[in-house]
Amino acid sequence: DAEITQSPRHKITETGRQVTLACHQTWNHNNMFWYRQDLGHGLRLIHYSYGVQDTNKGEVSDGYSVSRSNTEDLPLTLESAASSQTSVYFCASSAFRTANEKLFFGSGTQLSVL
Amino acid sequence: AQTVTQSQPEMSVQEAETVTLSCTYDTSESDYYLFWYKQPPSRQMILVIRQEAYKQQNATENRFSVNFQKAAKSFSLKISDSQLGDAAMYFCAYRSPRNSGNTPLVFGKGTRLSVIA
Repeated sequence: DAEITQSPRHKITETGRQVTLACHQTWNHNNMFWYRQDLGHGLRLIHYSYGVQDTNKGEVSDGYSVSRSNTEDLPLTLESAASSQTSVYFCASSAFRTANEKLFFGSGTQLSVL
Repeated sequence: AQTVTQSQPEMSVQEAETVTLSCTYDTSESDYYLFWYKQPPSRQMILVIRQEAYKQQNATENRFSVNFQKAAKSFSLKISDSQLGDAAMYFCAYRSPRNSGNTPLVFGKGTRLSVIA
């Protein structure tokens, strides 16, 4: 069955380190998204991509970067981790062939920056 | 930019009773799409129900239904015959129809629903 997987599920890192969170989907979806979830803020969009070599900034993109070299993967990199980036990170994908199509989510990565 | 507001951070309901979660949104567009997602403690995100703004009929999915008031920009979720498994965080979300609907979802802050046995 097609799926979207995130790794790792949990990550602890230190302030200032570079961290990369992986997202891999086998739906062959063109559209992929990264959100972060924080209590009191809901889900906020970090970066998104509509296809290979395409990336776009979201609402809270500062301190994050993404690259899209193939259809299946959209890794999220924290260039220099900060305590404010402690959060749960969700990757999602969709074909969006029609506007009401649902988003498929990964199971999330809990990141703690100490 | 569109915004989605969920004014109830927490709600509770007795098992078998009905509860309504509120959602309002701000947009200048006439056509758009609205969604409710459920997030149980497992962190999984589950689509509960969706509504196209151009459809006047309220969407229903088994025990879940919406009250869509376009003029008031309101999209509330009603859960009937609440079950223990309905306990979760619920997110309201909006999608613009621009670019043939190829736009990210904008989420509200969520409402945590507790179900009391």
